[in-house]
This record gives sequence, structure tokens and C-alpha cells, in this order.
Amino acid sequence: ETGVTQTPRHLVMGMTNKKSLKCEQHLGHNAMYWYKQSAKKPLELMFVYNFKEQTENNSVPSRFSPECPNSSHLFLHLHTLQPEDSALYLCASSQGGGGYYGYTFGSGTRLTVV
Amino acid sequence: DQQVKQNSPSLSVQEGRISILNCDYTNSMFDYFLWYKKYPAEGPTFLISISSIKDKNEDGRFTVFLNKSAKHLSLHIVPSQPGDSAVYFCAASEDNQGGKLIFGQGTELSVKP
Repeated sequence: ETGVTQTPRHLVMGMTNKKSLKCEQHLGHNAMYWYKQSAKKPLELMFVYNFKEQTENNSVPSRFSPECPNSSHLFLHLHTLQPEDSALYLCASSQGGGGYYGYTFGSGTRLTVV
Repeated sequence: DQQVKQNSPSLSVQEGRISILNCDYTNSMFDYFLWYKKYPAEGPTFLISISSIKDKNEDGRFTVFLNKSAKHLSLHIVPSQPGDSAVYFCAASEDNQGGKLIFGQGTELSVKP
């Protein structure tokens, strides 16, 4: 596989459930990101990892817990979410900060919290 | 405070004509500006970018213009095709080593046959 792969593509979970989103990149990039896209809003940066170390947490509630075991894999663990957390969650990767060449995004996980 | 703004949520253009998508920013420290295209149920895909030292970059039917004094950039698509119908996001970052991409809200382009 090439590029950035996210699983699952769709997820419906109750507010008391625990679930995880998975992201894998096959590009040899050293930085990985989680973004959230809600309807009619800009993409919101959630977390940044460089060489598997978290370098940014953009004031994300603790019910979202990221994990980066190596430079190729990124997880987002979810627990006790709220209905307003329903959104498209996008993973991305880049070489360095992205800059001129930007990020490569996965297809996203469409999350619905019921 | 939103640093990157796309004030037009939607744009409709006839096939073969020019599409012009606009983006404004407030942070004068941005070094790179990018455009992404997004189809429904897919992640954004990189389209074209420009560094702050240039005022124009062209790639086939796509041209990005940067006006630093006005803190404004635009994406021109000529000629527009129905397959260009998608949501277009502009994004900006401060540097190539540690800067993070800041995105606008997106503009939904519809190209009608």
C-alpha cells in the first residue's frame, strides 16, 4: 500500500464506548498529524507528532488520547465522547513541517457519536 | 482568531470558463501557501503551492497568485471542468521545518456542463 491509510472509514459509537482510530503512512515521513473537520468549519489541528514524539496538543479534551508507537503509525483513542465530537477525523503525514509540499492526508474516519 | 479565511463558501462556474477562488490571511509570518482539493468522503489532496518570495506559480490549468501587501492569494482554474467540482481549501504555514498548516474554511466549487 502507498500513501496514508486510515481505518475504519466509518464509526458509530455510543457515549460510553471506547474505540480507536488507526492511521498508517507508507511514505517514510517523520511527522504525523490528527485533524478534525466539522461541517462548514476549517480543518482543526488536534495533535502533531515528530519522530513519534508529541510536539503539539491544540487544547484537545482528554477524551481524545493519541498514541504514536513509531513514525509510521498513529492512533487516536476515544472514550466517553459527546455528540458534538461527531466529525470527520483526518490523519496526515509530512516530511519535516510540510512547508512547500504540504501534508499527505488519509481518507478520514467519519465518526458519529450517538 | 482565524488566520486564514475563505469568505466565499461556494462558487458556481460554467464549464470552460475561469474559476477564481480567493483566500485572505492575517499572519505576515507565513512562508508557504497551499491549495488543497477535497471530494466528499475523501481526504484533501495537495493541488499547488507558492512560497512567499514569489507572486505567481503555475501548474497546468492551475495558477496561484500571491499579493503579500494585501495578504491575499487566489487560485485560478482555466479552463474549468466538471471534474474540478470539489471543496477547495487554502492553507498556510510559517516555515518548512516546524510550521503547522493552518486551513481556511473551504470554498465549494461547482462547475456546470
